Amino acid sequence: KAGVTQTPRYLIKTRGQQVTLSCSPISGHRSVSWYQQTPGQGLQFLFEYFSETQRNKGNFPGRFSGRQFSNSRSEMNVSTLELGDSALYLCASSVKTGIRDTGELFFGEGSRLTVL
Amino acid sequence: AQSVTQLDSQVPVFEEAPVELRCNYSSSVSVYLFWYVQYPNQGLQLLLKYLSGSTLVESINGFEAEFNKSQTSFHLRKPSVHISDTAEYFCAVSVKSGQGAQKLVFGQGTRLTINP
Repeated sequence: KAGVTQTPRYLIKTRGQQVTLSCSPISGHRSVSWYQQTPGQGLQFLFEYFSETQRNKGNFPGRFSGRQFSNSRSEMNVSTLELGDSALYLCASSVKTGIRDTGELFFGEGSRLTVL
Repeated sequence: AQSVTQLDSQVPVFEEAPVELRCNYSSSVSVYLFWYVQYPNQGLQLLLKYLSGSTLVESINGFEAEFNKSQTSFHLRKPSVHISDTAEYFCAVSVKSGQGAQKLVFGQGTRLTINP
């Protein structure tokens, strides 16, 4: 079974630009979560999508947005990039089985964004 | 709000020595607990998890963790480490979030460095 796939793995942008990151979850997984990882702040939750609906959102400005498609693939977008947006963006998928949901996540390898 | 504290940001040990990575969580309800490992330039991989039942859980590569409800801890141990265990380790607790979903809250991570 293929794992979570994120593209691109590395990218460099300049301040003010926007970026779109893509995530393909494990087959059968309907939930996709996004995390930002930085040396200073650690792992911070961005948002979670389930069945094309954003079900949960972290404490990030509106420049950070996402969506999920009917095939469960997800994209996240960051507009008007700032230097502080440089980070590893991790996507994770999970099965989400209602009352048996444990929160366990399966992570991709991440997209490393550098903002110059 | 539920949180996770990893008491050591860095732990250096010699090869074949024992190691303990400490994790404390705050929660007033039943919890699911996880340890993830991150190797350089990779995403997070699940190392082991506590969902219910036996308080001692083990991984396939010799790590174990013990859930201690009274001390709200979930420390990770290995009796004899190998160079290949060099990585960053994250403790996480699953918390209920909006719309019945579960969300992982991570500690700040512990960088384990194995010296020959």
